[in-house]
Amino acid sequence: EAGVVQSPRYKIIEKKQPVAFWCNPISGHNTLYWYRQNLGQGPELLIRYENEEAVDDSQLPKDRFSAERLKGVDSTLKIQPAELGDSAVYLCASSLGRQGSSPLHFGNGTRLTVT
Amino acid sequence: DAKTTQPPSMDCAEGRAANLPCNHSTISGNEYVYWYRQIHSQGPQYIIHGLKNNETNEMASLIITEDRKSSTLILPHATLRDTAVYYCIVSSGSSNTGKLIFGQGTTLQVKP
Repeated sequence: EAGVVQSPRYKIIEKKQPVAFWCNPISGHNTLYWYRQNLGQGPELLIRYENEEAVDDSQLPKDRFSAERLKGVDSTLKIQPAELGDSAVYLCASSLGRQGSSPLHFGNGTRLTVT
Repeated sequence: DAKTTQPPSMDCAEGRAANLPCNHSTISGNEYVYWYRQIHSQGPQYIIHGLKNNETNEMASLIITEDRKSSTLILPHATLRDTAVYYCIVSSGSSNTGKLIFGQGTTLQVKP
């Protein structure tokens, strides 16, 4: 099966500029996650979707970050305006459903550099 | 949420078994133990998971102690391609709200 696809692979922007990341999950996976991974650290959850609904966005910095998952398939994560501290790898993952029975499948991420 | 403790790094000789330990002393009864690994410049890759019983798949074996307070991931014949950061994770909350909370993981270096 095709894996989780993310684009772009790399992005370099100046601070205060907007940026968007796109994710196409594995076909049939209802649950979609966005994680952020800082250098040398493990990934941290930003938001989780069940179909179109954001069921956990408690870790999403809502003043500058937004996400959407129209039609319950693809998802976009946006940052506006970007800050230097946003430099990180942004990972998308998907799963069939409930965490207790379904592992997450991750994409290879988008590496964001804010200058 | 239960947390895990792993050694920061380990070495293993190529062809030998790699045994990666993990402590999760505060695990709840309905929480699974998951193992993922992350090779440089790639996203985390699912390896295996279990609840109470030992599990085995084509990648690895997972041994969970009877009290479920610790587990060991076993790579039976490590290769250079197994060099990666290995994360031991306990799923948080109920299965309906579960999310992965990654720690620092164990950096496994497989040497020729």
